[in-house]
Amino acid sequence: GESVGLHLPTLSVQEGDNSIINCAYSNSASDYFIWYKQESGKGPQFIIDIRSNMDKRQGQRVTVLLNKTVKHLSLQIAATQPGDSAVYFCAENRESNYQLIWGAGTKLIIKP
Amino acid sequence: EPEVTQTPSHQVTQMGQEVILRCVPISNHLYFYWYRQILGQKVEFLVSFYNNEISEKSEIFDDQFSVERPDGSNFTLKIRSTKLEDSAMYFCASSKHYGYTFGSGTRLTVV
Repeated sequence: GESVGLHLPTLSVQEGDNSIINCAYSNSASDYFIWYKQESGKGPQFIIDIRSNMDKRQGQRVTVLLNKTVKHLSLQIAATQPGDSAVYFCAENRESNYQLIWGAGTKLIIKP
Repeated sequence: EPEVTQTPSHQVTQMGQEVILRCVPISNHLYFYWYRQILGQKVEFLVSFYNNEISEKSEIFDDQFSVERPDGSNFTLKIRSTKLEDSAMYFCASSKHYGYTFGSGTRLTVV
């Protein structure tokens, strides 16, 4: 069925290193993708988004890559910091509605 | 920076009781949403609201749930007769079009 999912549930990265969090989606009709960060006890916090007419988008220390051929989305975080420790969710949005479909989440642990 | 505000932050209720979760969306946003997240699980869509009516709802959003925008400012989620499995974090979100902003959530505990 249609789904948005993550390859790894937990990712440990040394502080200062780069991290890559991956996400797969199955619906080629999705036209908007968002990465959210969720810290313990808090609501999802918007990180970066990308539309389906783009392959790459950069923010501050973050880059989102979209590969429509294989329906794959990734979030790259450069020079990770302790504050990057959180659960990261990808979400997709379809043109026909405004409902976000969420992936399962990847827990990112930054090791000192 | 504009925020989506949710109250209360934590609510404990007895099974079978009615609860109302409150949200104040960002003032110039047009679309409003409720999502929930059972502890340790992914975020699930409940309902979207636009132009004073429900635009979409999920299977979770059954007859026990209702939403209201009573005064043009608040956006509420009511659960008429709570069940143990309703225990979760409930997040309100709003958007102009794309670009959702989420509140910090209300932790609902049904005992």
